[in-house]
Amino acid sequence: GAGVSQSPSNKVTEKGKDVELRCDPISGHTALYWYRQSLGQGLEFLIYFQGNSAPDKSGLPSDRFSAERTGGSVSTLTIQRTQQEDSAVYLCASSLLAGPGLGRQYFGPGTRLTVT
Amino acid sequence: RKEVEQDPGPFNVPEGATVAFNCTYSNSASQSFFWYRQDCRKEPKLLMSVYSSGNEDGRFTAQLNRASQYISLLIRDSKLSDSATYLCVVIPTSGTYKYIFGTGTRLKVLA
Repeated sequence: GAGVSQSPSNKVTEKGKDVELRCDPISGHTALYWYRQSLGQGLEFLIYFQGNSAPDKSGLPSDRFSAERTGGSVSTLTIQRTQQEDSAVYLCASSLLAGPGLGRQYFGPGTRLTVT
Repeated sequence: RKEVEQDPGPFNVPEGATVAFNCTYSNSASQSFFWYRQDCRKEPKLLMSVYSSGNEDGRFTAQLNRASQYISLLIRDSKLSDSATYLCVVIPTSGTYKYIFGTGTRLKVLA
């Protein structure tokens, strides 16, 4: 079956512009996660959705970052007024249910964002 | 102190060798633990969960030491295809589904 998909796969933008990153989770997966990974670094948790609600937004690095999920499916991560330090790979993951033991995460291929 | 720490490596080992990585975590109340594998410029994929009693999956053995707050991954009879970065993942407390990833340990298996 189809896995997690993300678009675009690559995005180059100028500093100060807004960008939208999209994630299509596996059909039926209720939990959705956003991470970012900078070069040579581990994954940094950004936000988690259970259905359409986001119980944990603690990882969003600033108020320039926001995310939403509609219909319990597609999610968009928006970065306003991008800065060079936002350059990273943004990874989305989904899991059937949330929680330890239930939440095997399946990752999408990521969106590589470059801010020039 | 980071919540989850790993030796970045690289660990360069010959084919057929046994290699082990450790991962330490700071929150003693941590609930769940996993090892993920990430190939270069690819997304992470679950390798195995780590159970309190330790668990094995083929050539891979995972163990948890709660007293010393670390988990380990042992790979026996290393294959060239095992070359990757191995990420330790911890869910720090109950009631949260915030997965904390380590920065990964890079393994190179040499012919």
